[in-house]
Amino acid sequence: NAGVTQTPKFQVLKTGQSMTLQCAQDMNHEYMSWYRQDPGMGLRLIHYSVGAGITDQGEVPNGYNVSRSTTEDFPLRLLSAAPSQTSVYFCASSLARWGASTGELFFGEGSRLTVL
Amino acid sequence: GENVEQHPSTLSVQEGDSAVIKCTYSDSASNYFPWYKQELGKRPQLIIDIRSNVGEKKDQRIAVTLNKTAKHFSLHITETQPEDSAVYFCAATLYSSASKIIFGSGTRLSIRP
Repeated sequence: NAGVTQTPKFQVLKTGQSMTLQCAQDMNHEYMSWYRQDPGMGLRLIHYSVGAGITDQGEVPNGYNVSRSTTEDFPLRLLSAAPSQTSVYFCASSLARWGASTGELFFGEGSRLTVL
Repeated sequence: GENVEQHPSTLSVQEGDSAVIKCTYSDSASNYFPWYKQELGKRPQLIIDIRSNVGEKKDQRIAVTLNKTAKHFSLHITETQPEDSAVYFCAATLYSSASKIIFGSGTRLSIRP
């Protein structure tokens, strides 16, 4: 199993550009989520999904969109990038029971995004 | 919603000494408390977790203690080694119905030779 795969690993954008961070997992995990990591701020939850067709907002959802059309994929879209979105983004997945995560998160390697 | 506070933000200990990292949480319904370790440039990985039906759990040199009354839990690393240098994150959530897994702000642990 490849686990959780994120692409791209690095990306530089100009303010106002849009892009999609891809996340795929091959562990048949129903729960998937996106975090951003900033110095001194820890891991902050952006959006999460408990199954195909179901998404919800986390702590810092503004400026980001997600969709979940399949169990395997959970892309994160930046509609109009801003310098404040410069960060390292992690996708994470876990098993789910009763429509929610069972707890242990498996993280991707991260995507480092710089917005100029 | 849940709020998790983690202290200290940085910690430096002599190799062989013990390290303690503390977290407090706000939602008294939370009953699952995992700890993640993130080495430099790597992804976070689960190292130990505890559920509220126990007060302490050990795994070799690491242990976690939980005080539900005070709503705080701690990570203890004994006989620290250079490979323990990393950022450690705590989290709190509701096991088996966890939709939002909220993390603390992290502790950067450095082991001095």
